[in-house]
Formats: sequence, C-alpha cells, structure tokens
Amino acid sequence: DIQMTQSPSSLSASVGDRVTITCRASQSIGIYLNWYQVKPGKAPKLLIYDASHMESPVPSRFSGSGSGTDFTLTIKSLQPDDFATYYCQQSYTTPCSFGQGTKLEIK
Amino acid sequence: QVQLVQSGAEVKTPGSSVTVSCQVSGGTLNKYRHGISWVRQAPGQGLEWMGGIIPFFGGAHYAQNFQDRLTLIADTSTTTAYMEVRSLKSEDTAVYYCVRDVMYTTWHTFDYWGRGTLVTVSS
Repeated sequence: DIQMTQSPSSLSASVGDRVTITCRASQSIGIYLNWYQVKPGKAPKLLIYDASHMESPVPSRFSGSGSGTDFTLTIKSLQPDDFATYYCQQSYTTPCSFGQGTKLEIK
Repeated sequence: QVQLVQSGAEVKTPGSSVTVSCQVSGGTLNKYRHGISWVRQAPGQGLEWMGGIIPFFGGAHYAQNFQDRLTLIADTSTTTAYMEVRSLKSEDTAVYYCVRDVMYTTWHTFDYWGRGTLVTVSS
C-alpha cells in the first residue's frame, strides 16, 4: 500500500500569511493527489484534485502543485475561515490512502 | 446540489454489528463514474478509507483491514447506500463518513461528503 506523509503535522499562522503544506508519497503516484479541508462537526470538503485542479467553488487563494512523489498545497493569504485540518490523499491506486493531516491554527 | 444524508449516532457493545445508511439527494447512484465510499476517523486520528461500491457495476471493494467484517450495498431505486460493520471492537469507535466517489481519470476522488455518523463501541 502507498504511504502518504504530510508535513508539518501542525502549523500556527496569522491572517494574511502565506502557508505551504507538503505531502510525500512512498512511490510515484503521477498527479493523482487530492487535498481536503476538515473542520469539526462539518462535512469535509474537497479543495483540489489531480494535484492542481481546483474544485468549484474553492477560493483562488488555494493552489496545489506537484507530481510523482512530492506535492504542495499553498494558501496565498490566510483568511479566518481557513483554520482547519488539511489532508492529502492519493487516488492513484486502491486502497487509496490519506496523509496524517496538518492542523492549521491561528497564531 | 448533491447531498449525502447519513443516519444518526449509534452506541454498540463489543461483538455486535452496526448499519449506517447514506441517502444521496440531488444525484443518482447509477452512473458509471459515481460510486460511494466509506471513510472513518477515530478520535484524534486521521482519515481511513474502508471500502467503496460502484452501484452501476454492482461490485464492492474493501480495504484489507475490513475484508472480513464489512459489507457495502447500494439501492439505486432509493439512492441509498448502506455500510454494515460486524464484530465491533472498541477500536471501531469513530466517525464514519459516506462520500461520493468520482472517477475523473482514476477512482477515489471524494467530491461530496456526508456529515458523518458517530459510532461508539463500549461495554
């Protein structure tokens, strides 16, 4: 099975900051990498699929990049609504697998 | 707008079974590019894919960890999916999400999520 490793596991930032979360796969997964935002008590939300394609209507301050084994999620200018936990997930093969999550907290 | 509406919280004893339902509104279950997967999150843990079903083809796939005690079915006439987990253990205490599984170029992109069903296993 493919292992997904995210870093950092937690991150403190301020409104307006630019943040980057990285995700590494244990083997090449092409571009088949998705990013989700999870908030307590709410349905998780797909942000980006196939590494860099924005799901509608995700704000344009979110972007994704990468291929092969290394991927990044960037939030250009943090807004209060962005404080959440973010997960990467490979959809290259079954079973799909998630990273362990990155908790983004307000500094 | 697609919505996935899950059944309510459950409290179960070890060794028993639980069935969670997931009704899809605003969409169908009988397109070849759409399936339903189930993902769980134990307290303080990350997300774990358990298995998925593609109603159009009728087949289900299960993660190895759940192969022996998980059954997924889907009723296309009522657009409702069901997950049954048997032989429950305390470690199965988690929030269980049903998710719409979309094939873009590959399977397992989860574009819509239910709000989750908390299953508590305790004696």
